[in-house]
Amino acid sequence: ILNVEQSPQSLHVQEGDSTNFTCSFPSSNFYALHWYRWETAKSPEALFVMTLNGDEKKKGRISATLNTKEGYSYLYIKGSQPEDSATYLCAPHSGNTPLVFGKGTRLSVIA
Amino acid sequence: IAGITQAPTSQILAAGRRMTLRCTQDMRHNAMYWYRQDLGLGLRLIHYSNTAGTTGKGEVPDGYSVSRANTDDFPLTLASAVPSQTSVYFCASSDTPQVPLYGYTFGSGTRLTVV
Repeated sequence: ILNVEQSPQSLHVQEGDSTNFTCSFPSSNFYALHWYRWETAKSPEALFVMTLNGDEKKKGRISATLNTKEGYSYLYIKGSQPEDSATYLCAPHSGNTPLVFGKGTRLSVIA
Repeated sequence: IAGITQAPTSQILAAGRRMTLRCTQDMRHNAMYWYRQDLGLGLRLIHYSNTAGTTGKGEVPDGYSVSRANTDDFPLTLASAVPSQTSVYFCASSDTPQVPLYGYTFGSGTRLTVV
């Protein structure tokens, strides 16, 4: 079982603040790193699938970077809005084995 | 609307009873998965299927069984429910079991309470 660590566990920010969180994963046998956004009472939704060292992905105000050599990824949210409140999950992917999800970072954006 | 349908949405089940959670997708995805969501533990993989006709065990398979007779359906069966199986169950799928460029698609979940 892959050891996936996400930090912080939870985060409260004011509307308009920018924030970031970390996902750490084993760098060996790496294929891809997934990020998901999970709103309360809904289902997880894929944000990014990243495969290459140095990869950067962006969707609106949310972006992510990937360092496969040291085994970490950062997710950034610029100018947080209340609708960004959710749990953000990361999951490394190695080959044909299914995703192992981290426990997530719970973000609360206060208006 | 393309996606994953899970049924039932919620269920209260007496301990010892048998129950099948249904999962159907219409995206012709090859791979399907069952996860359970538990407080403080996140999403944990129960069983998976990389393609129709094959299945594999995840992190927490005990007490559960699956079958994959065709591409679209991936039912999860609890042979004899126990209270520790109280959880929210999510079915998911991906076009490929390797690196799905668009990630996993999740169903809306089944909330199961075993009493």
